[in-house]
Amino acid sequence: QLVLTQSPSASASLGASVKLTCTLSSGHSTYAIAWHQQQSAKGPRYLMKLNSDGSHSKGDGVPDRFSGSSSGAERYLTISSLQSEDEADYYCQTWDTGIRVFGGGTKLTVL
Amino acid sequence: EVQLVESGGGLVQPGGSLRLSCAASGFTFSIYWMSWVRQAPGKGLEWVANIKQDGSEKYYVDSVKGRFSISRDNAKNSLYLQMDSLRAEDTAVYYCAKEKYSKYCDVWGQGTTVTVSS
Repeated sequence: QLVLTQSPSASASLGASVKLTCTLSSGHSTYAIAWHQQQSAKGPRYLMKLNSDGSHSKGDGVPDRFSGSSSGAERYLTISSLQSEDEADYYCQTWDTGIRVFGGGTKLTVL
Repeated sequence: EVQLVESGGGLVQPGGSLRLSCAASGFTFSIYWMSWVRQAPGKGLEWVANIKQDGSEKYYVDSVKGRFSISRDNAKNSLYLQMDSLRAEDTAVYYCAKEKYSKYCDVWGQGTTVTVSS
């Protein structure tokens, strides 16, 4: 079964960096994912598509502070030089024929 | 500007029906798969259904199969979600989303709220 696992919460200080993790279920380690950001009381925003080799393509207007990387079944979203507006929920998404799957989301707190 | 605007949400009793609409603009609607994604209060995102460019393929999450129906009108640049036999657990904000390469959502609407309660 295709499942994405995310830690429920993360925190980091203003100006620091943080790395969020999304883990693919067994047997699906080569799957690409997409990262989305959802700020409080807003609709989600597409950030980037991230491939298993770490290559990624960002959405329009996504700052250079956002980057992606991969290792095995893990997909990462790194946010550098954290700003207050980065405080949000972050979701990973993957897909297969006939289904789309979201991770449970990580709530990022900027201290 | 690429934009998706949902409408049609509201309060409905258990067992009732509701039809959501999504108006697309700023891109060629007819060449993209489209999805509905929902978010229950305080919960994460849950994919609900998607539809191929010409409407010939449709897929649903198990929990809504037989109750919800996704459709589209390419002439009107519009996506729809017919929701029947609604349950309390269908209460959520429903988002319309454009799919890139028929794989992942790359444009989202602002959402419309559906509340199922007596």
